[in-house]
Amino acid sequence: SQQGEEDPQALSIQEGENATMNCSYKTSINNLQWYRQNSGRGLVHLILIRSNEREKHSGRLRVTLDTSKKSSSLLITASRAADTASYFCARVGIGGGADGLTFGKGTHLIIQP
Amino acid sequence: EPEVTQTPSHQVTQMGQEVILRCVPISNHLYFYWYRQILGQKVEFLVSFYNNEISEKSEIFDDQFSVERPDGSNFTLKIRSTKLEDSAMYFCASSIPRGRYGYTFGSGTRLTVV
Repeated sequence: SQQGEEDPQALSIQEGENATMNCSYKTSINNLQWYRQNSGRGLVHLILIRSNEREKHSGRLRVTLDTSKKSSSLLITASRAADTASYFCARVGIGGGADGLTFGKGTHLIIQP
Repeated sequence: EPEVTQTPSHQVTQMGQEVILRCVPISNHLYFYWYRQILGQKVEFLVSFYNNEISEKSEIFDDQFSVERPDGSNFTLKIRSTKLEDSAMYFCASSIPRGRYGYTFGSGTRLTVV
């Protein structure tokens, strides 16, 4: 499969703890994006990291990218109950998105109050 | 903040019927997409559309599917003769430069084929 794969598939932590989700992929990328999906809702873009970047921050989110290992991680610090959702990584290929985003299966994150 | 709007939010149709799913992308975006997500499965790319024509399409996007931008604001996905396996959430998305920035997704249309 050329698609991103997240792990873990499910993660349950206590509010206030940090959550780390990982994503692996098999082909070269132009960029890699993380999205959140609340149950039965649309996808919300969180953060984009380009192939020449190693780390990016946005509020409580931190994304890293290791192109040599073809992997990325999403860290959510000081988690809140509202962070409960599914998180997906999606890669954009070298062509810059001609064939759209390729999504992984996602990590279902549950934040226990 | 600009949004991608999809209608209807839920559609139930009989097998063999035609359905049209509608989307209003963000006005200054140039690239438009349809994705689908079968319950419990990955989000899958269907088609991208730019400059009034299909840019790329996946294997899923067969002759049963078509897309159109009829009036400069709406972007539609038509399924000609629905099958049970077409039941899924269908997401419309738009972006400025193709793929190089984040995509903005709509809230989706849940299609149920009975």
